[in-house]
Amino acid sequence: AQSVTQLDSHVSVSEGTPVLLRCNYSSSYSPSLFWYVQHPNKGLQLLLKYTSAATLVKGINGFEAEFKKSETSFHLTKPSAHMSDAAEYFCVVTSWNFNKFYFGSGTKLNVKP
Amino acid sequence: EAGVVQSPRYKIIEKKQPVAFWCNPISGHNTLYWYLQNLGQGPELLIRYENEEAVDDSQLPKDRFSAERLKGVDSTLKIQPAELGDSAVYLCASSAGDSGELFFGEGSRLTVL
Repeated sequence: AQSVTQLDSHVSVSEGTPVLLRCNYSSSYSPSLFWYVQHPNKGLQLLLKYTSAATLVKGINGFEAEFKKSETSFHLTKPSAHMSDAAEYFCVVTSWNFNKFYFGSGTKLNVKP
Repeated sequence: EAGVVQSPRYKIIEKKQPVAFWCNPISGHNTLYWYLQNLGQGPELLIRYENEEAVDDSQLPKDRFSAERLKGVDSTLKIQPAELGDSAVYLCASSAGDSGELFFGEGSRLTVL
């Protein structure tokens, strides 16, 4: 079975400081993992995805994530937060054939001026 | 390219009334999903279509929920009768083949009074 746990429901950072959003996964197979972002009253948008290629994945808007099999983690990072990064972020693991997507409960990122 | 379109964006109804949501996926996307998103939680799958066939409806409460995807393009999700606990955001998403990327609409927010 697949599942994800997002370790923080809320994260608050100051503009210009690093962002770390934590995600641990559980999977019976070699997982494919994703991060999606949801701005208020908007649909979810793909930030980045890991599908068994390079373990360090770069996404849009300066975000990146590192797949660590030994730690079953897929944490999302960004070196310098921008006000526009304030949103909710979802970590997602899929079944081996992309038929099922298992979403975490989300992490709300607040960026302070 | 137009994204996934959902309507209505907002709906307020009295309990026991019916309600319907409509989704137009991205052109050429054979797979269509309806997700339920409760406040503070990640999306949960209600039903997945491959073309016009519902291939995973195991989480759809069939006593009051129904869905259809005529001609394998647009889809409608219906609730009859609505209950207070159905207040949530209903998200539609589509994907192409085995890309692993979901494209989401902006959602339909339902409030049941």
